[in-house]
Amino acid sequence: KAGVTQTPRYLIKTRGQQVTLSCSPISGHRSVSWYQQTPGQGLQFLFEYFSETQRNKGNFPGRFSGRQFSNSRSEMNVSTLELGDSALYLCASSLGPSTMNTEAFFGQGTRLTVV
Amino acid sequence: QQQVKQSPQSLIVQKGGIPIINCAYENTAFDYFPWYQQFPGKGPALLIAIRPDVSEKKEGRFTISFNKSAKQFSLHIMDSQPGDSATYFCAASNSLNYGGATNKLIFGTGTLLAVQP
Repeated sequence: KAGVTQTPRYLIKTRGQQVTLSCSPISGHRSVSWYQQTPGQGLQFLFEYFSETQRNKGNFPGRFSGRQFSNSRSEMNVSTLELGDSALYLCASSLGPSTMNTEAFFGQGTRLTVV
Repeated sequence: QQQVKQSPQSLIVQKGGIPIINCAYENTAFDYFPWYQQFPGKGPALLIAIRPDVSEKKEGRFTISFNKSAKQFSLHIMDSQPGDSATYFCAASNSLNYGGATNKLIFGTGTLLAVQP
């Protein structure tokens, strides 16, 4: 059974650009959540989706957005990139209606570097 | 109130030792407490999780101890091995408050564990 797949694995972007990251959950999983991981702030929750609907959102500016498609695949977008957006972006999926109360499986992440 | 405080920041033990990582929380609405293990270049992987109705849970060499009155929980790794060297994160959420402010998995800051051969 394939795990959570995140693409691309590595990305280098310039300040001011926008970026789209992709997450394919484990087959059959309908909940997807996104996290930002940095050495200084640790793992910070971005948002969670279930059945194409955003269930919850973390405390990030509006430049961070996401969506989920009917096949449960999810994308997150960051517009007007800032140097501080450099981080490992992790996606997690779970079988149940929420990744917050059951085993959530994480992908390997996308390492975004903003220069 | 949303924070989960984790200590120590780093830990070095000898093979066979029992590292203990501690976490404390403030929000009494939290009712799901997982521990994640992360190796370099990998995403976190769920090790073990506990809910407040039990005080201890064991899975293999990993044990969670939970003290509801003190709002603390800890991870013990029995007979630690060099392969256990990783970063460990505790987390907490209010699992049933779907979409609510506390229904977010709040992570501790992580503990870098090194098990020396």
